[in-house]
Amino acid sequence: NAGVTQTPKFQVLKTGQSMTLQCAQDMNHNSMYWYRQDPGMGLRLIYYSASEGTTDKGEVPNGYNVSRLNKREFSLRLESAAPSQTSVYFCASSPGGYPPDTQYFGPGTRLTVL
Amino acid sequence: QKEVEQNSGPLSVPEGAIASLNCTYSDRGSQSFFWYRQYSGKSPELIMSIYSNGDKEDGRFTAQLNKASQYVSLLIRDSQPSDSATYLCAVNFGNEKLTFGTGTRLTIIP
Repeated sequence: NAGVTQTPKFQVLKTGQSMTLQCAQDMNHNSMYWYRQDPGMGLRLIYYSASEGTTDKGEVPNGYNVSRLNKREFSLRLESAAPSQTSVYFCASSPGGYPPDTQYFGPGTRLTVL
Repeated sequence: QKEVEQNSGPLSVPEGAIASLNCTYSDRGSQSFFWYRQYSGKSPELIMSIYSNGDKEDGRFTAQLNKASQYVSLLIRDSQPSDSATYLCAVNFGNEKLTFGTGTRLTIIP
């Protein structure tokens, strides 16, 4: 099992460019999450999907959109990148349900916006 | 606003000693609690989960939960240099999401 995979690993964008971060999991998990991690800020939730076909905003959704393409895949799109979106982005998945179970993280995408 | 607080450190502990990491949270109704370890440049990985008051042991790691006082701690016995990392506390506040603290950076001194 590959677990949670993310592409790309690194990306440099210019202000105003768009891009999509891809995430896939092979653990048959129901829930998937997108976080960003900035120095001193910890992990902050951008969007999550509790099940296939549903998405909800997290703590910092502005400037991002998501798509839960199917049970395996959850993508994050930046429509018009800004320097404030320079960060490390992590995708995670969990079996789902309440209370929430362990979240498993992908390797991350390091994004720099110039 | 649901919050999870951790001392950012750095916390320096001699090799072989006990490292004690603490976390407080804002909602007494919280149900589940997690400790993640994150090496520099890597993704978080689960160390321990705890759901009930008291202690839970797994090898050199012990998680302690006190819901009345709203804190959860992680003890690492016989600390090794490989334990040097940032430790993230995560709490569920009654929904499908986890709220993470900012992490405590731990350094084990050989």
